[in-house]
Amino acid sequence: DVKVTQSSRYLVKRTGEKVFLECVQDMDHENMFWYRQDPGLGLRLIYFSYDVKMKEKGDIPEGYSVSREKKERFSLILESASTNQTSMYLCASSPQGFGQYFGPGTRLTVT
Amino acid sequence: AQSVTQLDSHVSVSEGTPVLLRCNYSSSYSPSLFWYVQHPNKGLQLLLKYTSAATLVKGINGFEAEFKKSETSFHLTKPSAHMSDAAEYFCVVSPPAGTGGFKTIFGAGTRLFVKA
Repeated sequence: DVKVTQSSRYLVKRTGEKVFLECVQDMDHENMFWYRQDPGLGLRLIYFSYDVKMKEKGDIPEGYSVSREKKERFSLILESASTNQTSMYLCASSPQGFGQYFGPGTRLTVT
Repeated sequence: AQSVTQLDSHVSVSEGTPVLLRCNYSSSYSPSLFWYVQHPNKGLQLLLKYTSAATLVKGINGFEAEFKKSETSFHLTKPSAHMSDAAEYFCVVSPPAGTGGFKTIFGAGTRLFVKA
């Protein structure tokens, strides 16, 4: 079975802190994604990566950056956390064109 | 351009009765289509996928979906609901395999309630 793990299930940070969310997949997938999920807004794509060191902006990249130094790991970085970044963050990976496999999510609260 | 519309934001059924979750899509090419389920405070789990093979697709937990090109629909069904099916379900459209999986579009979700 495909396994996608995220470093934390719940995280509480203060405004202005730098936040790292880590995602690891064990199936050698080319593509990896970061989404945030908010009530009434559904899933929104923040960034995706189709190869090591390659990244593309999604629909809402502002306030976020990403890093993919190894194929299995995709990190989401909040350079200076703000309260409007309180959300559920979901990581996913996929082989080319075959649906995405999701991690369990990280519920981030910024106070 | 692609889009996906889940026609019901909430569906309520009694345990043991059939489930129908409706999804219509729009795509300028023959897309890949997926259904995902999300239980509270969990990630999304892939239920089933259509990738231009058989139009009736069977998934996990007794769910299935039928791709109807003429109706641009991909409705999710299950003959008999269980309490454990209560969750949110997402219909998803993405470009065909081999053309890039970046422009995946998620529906807004349908919350399924199952009454005892």
